[in-house]
Amino acid sequence: KAGVTQTPRYLIKTRGQQVTLSCSPISGHRSVSWYQQTPGQGLQFLFEYFSETQRNKGNFPGRFSGRQFSNSRSEMNVSTLELGDSALYLCASSSGLMGSPLHFGNGTRLTVT
Amino acid sequence: GENVEQHPSTLSVQEGDSAVIKCTYSDSASNYFPWYKQELGKGPQLIIDIRSNVGEKKDQRIAVTLNKTAKHFSLHITETQPEDSAVYFCAASTLGAGAGSYQLTFGKGTKLSVIP
Repeated sequence: KAGVTQTPRYLIKTRGQQVTLSCSPISGHRSVSWYQQTPGQGLQFLFEYFSETQRNKGNFPGRFSGRQFSNSRSEMNVSTLELGDSALYLCASSSGLMGSPLHFGNGTRLTVT
Repeated sequence: GENVEQHPSTLSVQEGDSAVIKCTYSDSASNYFPWYKQELGKGPQLIIDIRSNVGEKKDQRIAVTLNKTAKHFSLHITETQPEDSAVYFCAASTLGAGAGSYQLTFGKGTKLSVIP
């Protein structure tokens, strides 16, 4: 079974631009979550999608948004990029049931200059 | 919200020795506690998890213990090997707004180095 696939692996953007990250979950998984990982703040929850609906959201500004398609693939968008948005963005998929394990992809490394 | 503290931040052990990483959580409603291993350039990989109705769980050289009263849980790795070297994260789950929804609150990680 293929794992969680995130594209692209690396991105370099300029402050003020916007960016879209893509995630393909494990086949059969209906829940996709996004996390931001930085050296200072560690792993922080952004949001979770299940059956194309956002079920849960972390404490990030509205510049961070996402969506999920009918095939469970998900995209995350960050608008008006700031230097502090430089991070590893991780996508995780699960069946969506309470306590079902999260399986992470290898992330997209975003650098904002 | 939930807060997870993890100690130590770095840990060096000799190959063959045991390693113990400890975490505490603040929200008594949390009931799912996974542990992840992250190697350089990769995403976190689930290595073991425990639910609040269980006090201990083992999987070969890895074990996790949970003390709900004290709100702490620990990861034990026995007979450590160089390939165990990585960053380990503990996490606790908090119920989200939607049915079945939950988010993980992670500790800050422990960098484990196993010296051959």
